[in-house]
Amino acid sequence: GENVEQHPSTLSVQEGDSAVIKCTYSDSASNYFPWYKQELGKRPQLIIDIRSNVGEKKDQRIAVTLNKTAKHFSLHITETQPEDSAVYFCAASTLVSNTGKLIFGQGTTLQVKP
Amino acid sequence: DTAVSQTPKYLVTQMGNDKSIKCEQNLGHDTMYWYKQDSKKFLKIMFSYNNKELIINETVPNRFSPKSPDKAHLNLHINSLELGDSAVYFCASSPTRADSPLHFGNGTRLTVT
Repeated sequence: GENVEQHPSTLSVQEGDSAVIKCTYSDSASNYFPWYKQELGKRPQLIIDIRSNVGEKKDQRIAVTLNKTAKHFSLHITETQPEDSAVYFCAASTLVSNTGKLIFGQGTTLQVKP
Repeated sequence: DTAVSQTPKYLVTQMGNDKSIKCEQNLGHDTMYWYKQDSKKFLKIMFSYNNKELIINETVPNRFSPKSPDKAHLNLHINSLELGDSAVYFCASSPTRADSPLHFGNGTRLTVT
């Protein structure tokens, strides 16, 4: 079945620096790759997503890149701020009986130091 | 408010008891899910239903039984609770497409003592 590996498990950066989180997936049929942010005690919330027909997508300080050949995708956060501190999850979607099945990476705890 | 809502928010119970968690969504989505988040934050899919039909049933003990009375509701009943069942359980919903995001509920923190 689909497997998603996420690295690093923890990441500490200074405010204003960039942060990069990387994921790999195993199922070449996966076609949808969302990223979720989970603050302490809260639910995971979608921050950005990318579909397989696109190589890069940007939304203000957040960007995602996708390399379908290598089965890699990455999250880039620029000009980090303390409020970016959270756990970030990548995910890959496969099709099961015409519905999506999202498999999540292990999560990255990002700490932004003021 | 359009949302995925689940109750209760906290559930503390003893080993061997039976408990239920309820979930409702008013987003008009056809597919609903249960995910388990363990102490290491790993989010693992347990079940998914599409229009009341069970689609995904991962390797979950049969003490866990989901029930979907209609496409807006997906409840989770757990029999004979064990210590290892302690976790946060998230309900989620999405449209019936493989390239759609999940909308999560606020989670139910289950503690088994």
